[in-house]
Amino acid sequence: EAQVTQNPRYLITVTGKKLTVTCSQNMNHEYMSWYRQDPGLGLRQIYYSMNVEVTDKGDVPEGYKVSRKEKRNFPLILESPSPNQTSLYFCASRPASRGPTGELFFGEGSRLTVL
Amino acid sequence: GQNIDQPTEMTATEGAIVQINCTYQTSGFNGLFWYQQHAGEAPTFLSYNVLDGLEEKGRFSSFLSRSKGYSYLLLKELQMKDSASYLCAVRDTGGFKTIFGAGTRLFVKA
Repeated sequence: EAQVTQNPRYLITVTGKKLTVTCSQNMNHEYMSWYRQDPGLGLRQIYYSMNVEVTDKGDVPEGYKVSRKEKRNFPLILESPSPNQTSLYFCASRPASRGPTGELFFGEGSRLTVL
Repeated sequence: GQNIDQPTEMTATEGAIVQINCTYQTSGFNGLFWYQQHAGEAPTFLSYNVLDGLEEKGRFSSFLSRSKGYSYLLLKELQMKDSASYLCAVRDTGGFKTIFGAGTRLFVKA
C-alpha cells in the first residue's frame, strides 16, 4: 500500500530534550516536506527536500533541522525543543515527475507536546 | 506578502449544496489545490486548478479565477461524512512551496 509513515504519532517531551520525528514514504517520490498545523494558522511549511541531499527552508524553519540521506526518509529533528513547538506535524511527499502540479500525499501526523 | 483567506466555519444541511470560497494573494502562482481533512486525520487531495474555469469531479467541483485571485469549492448532495475541514492551498511559481489557508470547518447537519 502506498503510504507516508510518521513516527511517533504522539509524543510528550520536556524542554531541551532532543527528539527526532521520522518520515518514510514507499512511493519513490523525489519531493518531501514537513508542515506544522496550529489552530487558526493552518499548515505552515517547515522544510522541504527536492531529492537526496537537497533541502531548503520553508516558512517556519527556526528550531528545526532535517536531513535527506535516502530517498525514502526525511526525518525532522528538534535539537532543543521549546513549548512553542507544541503542534501537530505532518510529513508529505509528491513525485517530481509530475512537475509542480502534483498533489501532496500526507502522513497521518505526529502530535508533539513540549512541556 | 502571502495570504490565503477562507471562512472559518460553515454549516449546511444534508442533501444541500455548499460553496466554500477562497481568496489568495501570493507572490507567485502555479496552481490552486483543495484538500479535505477530517478531524484528527491527514489532509487528502480533492482538486487542482491551474487555468481559469470549473473542474468537476463527481459531487465536488472547483472553480478558479486567476485575475481575481479567487477560487471556490462546490459540494453537492451533501452527506454527513462531508463534515470536515477544507483547505485551500496555492503552489508557488517554482513549485517547491505550497501555502495553505487556515481551512474552513464544514458542519453537515441532518
